[in-house]
Amino acid sequence: SYVLTQPPSVSVAPGQTARITCGGNNIGSKSVHWYQQKPGQAPVLVVYDDSDRPSGIPERFSGSNSGNTATLTISRVEAGDEADYYCQVWDSSSDRVFGGGTKLTVL
Amino acid sequence: EVQLVQSGAEVKKPGESLKISCKGSGYSFTSYWIGWVRQMPGKGLEWMGIIYPGDSDTRYSPSFQGQVTISADKSISTAYLQWSSLKASDTAMYYCARLPGERVGAFDIWGQGTMVTVSS
Repeated sequence: SYVLTQPPSVSVAPGQTARITCGGNNIGSKSVHWYQQKPGQAPVLVVYDDSDRPSGIPERFSGSNSGNTATLTISRVEAGDEADYYCQVWDSSSDRVFGGGTKLTVL
Repeated sequence: EVQLVQSGAEVKKPGESLKISCKGSGYSFTSYWIGWVRQMPGKGLEWMGIIYPGDSDTRYSPSFQGQVTISADKSISTAYLQWSSLKASDTAMYYCARLPGERVGAFDIWGQGTMVTVSS
């Protein structure tokens, strides 16, 4: 089965740049989607197809994907960005797969 | 407004059956897949399965095949997730989410979640 690996936690000071990685075998050949989940709320799609943003998502959120690592980048981090972030792909052997999630802490 | 509205929280005993719902509005319900996602307390997201309400074509994650049943009634734009015999380990938040394609696309619209608690 296909496995996506995320760091359990990432910490960043306000105004700085946060980078959350998602590792998988040849993930660069797949479309990666990212979700933000704040405490007590449903997940929200923030980046789809590696680097596209749904309407309403700030330009501060961006994504990239190459080789064995996809990355969600959040520029000029704000306190309101503190949340859990999950990557997700479709794989022919495992169908839909989520990463384990990364807790972003804004210091 | 495009939205998915789920049924309310449930408290059940082990062995009981349950069916929770997810009603779509603001879009063509039969043109998108609906997926179900489990989140156990304090844990991450797990994909359970998807259904295409247009023809009820269904796919299950191997982890959930045989454990739950996914169905839909397109006449009322509603998808369902059901259990025939609940276990304590089914205690979790369950989300439905919209999907543009069987193998492509992201879960772009999510329901608010249904909390299921199974306890004797």
